[in-house]
Amino acid sequence: QVQLVESGGGLVKPGGSLRLSCAASGFTFSDYYMNWFRQAPGKGLEWVSYISTTSNTIYYADSVKGRFTISRDNAKDSLFLQMDSLRAEDTAVYYCARAMTARAAFDVWGQGTMVTVSS
Amino acid sequence: DIVMTQSPDSLAVSLGERATVNCKSSQSVLYSSNNKNYLGWYQQKPGQPPRLLIYWASTRESGVPDRFSGSGSGTDFTLTISSLQAEDVAVYYCQQYYTTPYTFGQGTEVEIK
Repeated sequence: QVQLVESGGGLVKPGGSLRLSCAASGFTFSDYYMNWFRQAPGKGLEWVSYISTTSNTIYYADSVKGRFTISRDNAKDSLFLQMDSLRAEDTAVYYCARAMTARAAFDVWGQGTMVTVSS
Repeated sequence: DIVMTQSPDSLAVSLGERATVNCKSSQSVLYSSNNKNYLGWYQQKPGQPPRLLIYWASTRESGVPDRFSGSGSGTDFTLTISSLQAEDVAVYYCQQYYTTPYTFGQGTEVEIK
């Protein structure tokens, strides 16, 4: 079935790094635009980053620009988020989600992976 | 950035009654060239990821019960649950995908009265 599975979350100290992965299955990954979202504990949803099907267009939220890097490997049906210079305010559940076109709603979401930034 | 504001923050509705959630965007999310509103509604239950209910402001996602409906255009939108069921207890978010940064409303918590 259509599925997205995130991994790579964990506990990291402020200033540290973490790399999240999102494994896709059940659909043609290379046809879909991919995004990362996050949700801090008890808070609402926040969009983090977008990558087009061929990786030629990438966007970031201002809150992560210059610290996070999104990438994808269509041959391996995988999406990544490299997170550097982590801050306490980056603590959240991180979700990957797909969209059919460049500007479309997000119809499939992963279960999320928790990132905790704390000393 | 487009600011999305939902009202109310929470509401309690009796089983079988109508629940209405409102969403207002700080600028229009209607794209004139295709007459589509770039607005979606999501349902999130505790410990679960968001689930897409409605896209293009009024198109129901496959598998979503027909008691869920969306309406509105431009800057004002509504999600209606026509007959609230126990399984509809959740937080509901509107989201614009007209432009990045994609932004969400703060969420509306729907519970049973």
